[in-house]
Amino acid sequence: GNSVTQMEGPVTLSEEAFLTINCTYTATGYPSLFWYVQYPGEGLQLLLKATKADDKGSNKGFEATYRKETTSFHLEKGSVQVSDSAVYFCALRQNTGNQFYFGTGTSLTVIP
Amino acid sequence: DSGVTQTPKHLITATGQRVTLRCSPRSGDLSVYWYQQSLDQGLQFLIQYYNGEERAKGNILERFSAQQFPDLHSELNLSSLELGDSALYFCASSVGGYMNTEAFFGQGTRLTVV
Repeated sequence: GNSVTQMEGPVTLSEEAFLTINCTYTATGYPSLFWYVQYPGEGLQLLLKATKADDKGSNKGFEATYRKETTSFHLEKGSVQVSDSAVYFCALRQNTGNQFYFGTGTSLTVIP
Repeated sequence: DSGVTQTPKHLITATGQRVTLRCSPRSGDLSVYWYQQSLDQGLQFLIQYYNGEERAKGNILERFSAQQFPDLHSELNLSSLELGDSALYFCASSVGGYMNTEAFFGQGTRLTVV
């Protein structure tokens, strides 16, 4: 079956620290992978995506590389800001289907 | 603004009641997805419609039902409500079909059952 596993939170970092949020997946075939972000009181917003192995998605200083050999899509940012405080969701979508499978979310708090 | 509109934003109702949540997808999107987000269960996929037809079903209770209308808006009906149904209900839309496109989420309807 299809599933996504994210590192447990919450994660608390100081401003300008390096961020890694781990995400691994289980899927048949070649899914597309996504990171969504949910700011307090809002819906989920797409942060970045990758559609095939070795693709790197990037946006707003965040990056994630689709690693098929390790079935991973870890989210990284070199220097976090207070405004990055949010819940981050890793997700996959099969190319032959429409359903999105989400991880449980990782809460990030960045302190000044 | 994602372009996905959900109404109402907040809903408070009593146990045993029935409510309807509404979702208007982004212009041009044919697929609508419903998700339930609760503190203990995370983001749970409920159901997907594509161009008016049910496409995929997730962990949707029998007390819940949904439909997508010819103008592509969708409604999620929740009946015989229980305290445990209190959650954020998100609607998302995508172009649909078998494409690697992302889903765009609405801001959600927060349902409180008292």
